[in-house]
Amino acid sequence: GQSLEQPSEVTAVEGAIVQINCTYQTSGFYGLSWYQQHDGGAPTFLSYNGLDGLEETGRFSSFLSRSDSYGYLLLQELQMKDSASYFCAVRVLTGANNLFFGTGTRLTVIP
Amino acid sequence: ETGVTQTPRHLVMGMTNKKSLKCEQHLGHNAMYWYKQSAKKPLELMFVYSLEERVENNSVPSRFSPECPNSSHLFLHLHTLQPEDSALYLCASSQALAGGPTDTQYFGPGTRLTVL
Repeated sequence: GQSLEQPSEVTAVEGAIVQINCTYQTSGFYGLSWYQQHDGGAPTFLSYNGLDGLEETGRFSSFLSRSDSYGYLLLQELQMKDSASYFCAVRVLTGANNLFFGTGTRLTVIP
Repeated sequence: ETGVTQTPRHLVMGMTNKKSLKCEQHLGHNAMYWYKQSAKKPLELMFVYSLEERVENNSVPSRFSPECPNSSHLFLHLHTLQPEDSALYLCASSQALAGGPTDTQYFGPGTRLTVL
């Protein structure tokens, strides 16, 4: 089976940096994705790591270590609008059910 | 806007009602998905369609019945639901099913379903 762990809640100050960790156990691992979901909104794709290392997209970066079955999402220069839930999701090679989500981390940005 | 729309956005129904959820994608994708999102739980994949053929049914109760008449539209027909079926139902689409950048899934805003 697949299992992912990420913290349920994180609080950070506007302008600061926050890191949301994700550890996983899976078979047929292909890559790690991150999604953002605002209250009442759709999950939106943020980033994908297929290889070890850091991927940077503006204020957001995502990291993957396959050997450690670990990744993280790094948010810099936090803004109030970054308050949302963040989901890590593993992509696997087997079958059509190829994306498994964590339970999400609720990020609250405070002034 | 992600290019995936869902209607209705909110739905309240009794256990004896029959209703349908609609999803439409404007991205030219070949795969479409239904997910269930409940509080404090991971997104649960319900059904997967690729090129209008169902390729995955994740042990979903028969009171949920999907339909994919073409690659742009996906329906979820609901009948005799239970209160525990109350959740956010999300539709998603991707270019392809196989692993790789082209299988990034784009989600609609969801239908908030309440079963009384």
